[in-house]
Amino acid sequence: KNQVEQSPQSLIILEGKNCTLQCNYTVSPFSNLRWYKQDTGRGPVSLTIMTFSENTKSNGRYTATLDADTKQSSLHITASQLSDSASYICVVSARAGSYQLTFGKGTKLSVIP
Amino acid sequence: ETGVTQTPRHLVMGMTNKKSLKCEQHLGHNAMYWYKQSAKKPLELMFVYNFKEQTENNSVPSRFSPECPNSSHLFLHLHTLQPEDSALYLCASSQGHSGTSGRGYNEQFFGPGTRLTVL
Repeated sequence: KNQVEQSPQSLIILEGKNCTLQCNYTVSPFSNLRWYKQDTGRGPVSLTIMTFSENTKSNGRYTATLDADTKQSSLHITASQLSDSASYICVVSARAGSYQLTFGKGTKLSVIP
Repeated sequence: ETGVTQTPRHLVMGMTNKKSLKCEQHLGHNAMYWYKQSAKKPLELMFVYNFKEQTENNSVPSRFSPECPNSSHLFLHLHTLQPEDSALYLCASSQGHSGTSGRGYNEQFFGPGTRLTVL
């Protein structure tokens, strides 16, 4: 069964600090992995999308890494801001062009002053 | 904004009511989706429409009835819901699924969701 596991479930950090969120998946075959940011009461917004051949991709202070051999990904947030408080969802697609996505439960990040 | 709008943003209804959720996308996409997001659970795909044709019904109870009159609009008609149907309902859109996407993926753009409470 295709699954995406994220850790930690929740995280509290001080403003200005860095943090790393983890994602392990068992989806097969593998096409691409996405990280979404979801503010409370809003829809998810895409941060990065990585295909099999990409090891790292950045979007401002967000940097995602992918190890397709170990089926692991991480999302690193640098110099956190209060606006980074949100849920971060890891999503994996098994086939190119497919709409079928496997979603993780998300990591709820709280950035405090 | 993602180019996908949903109305209403919040809805409270009784179990005997009939209501509809509306989604509209302004991105020129040909595929639209309904998802259900319950607390502490992953997003669950409910329905998929590709070029106005329903291509996926993920074992959703018949009390949820989708309608896609054109590629830009998607509705979810609700009737005789249960309290466990209370959740955030998200609409999304992407390029149509014609077998190849060129980029190797179809990025989905989500609306802000409708927070549904069933009493």
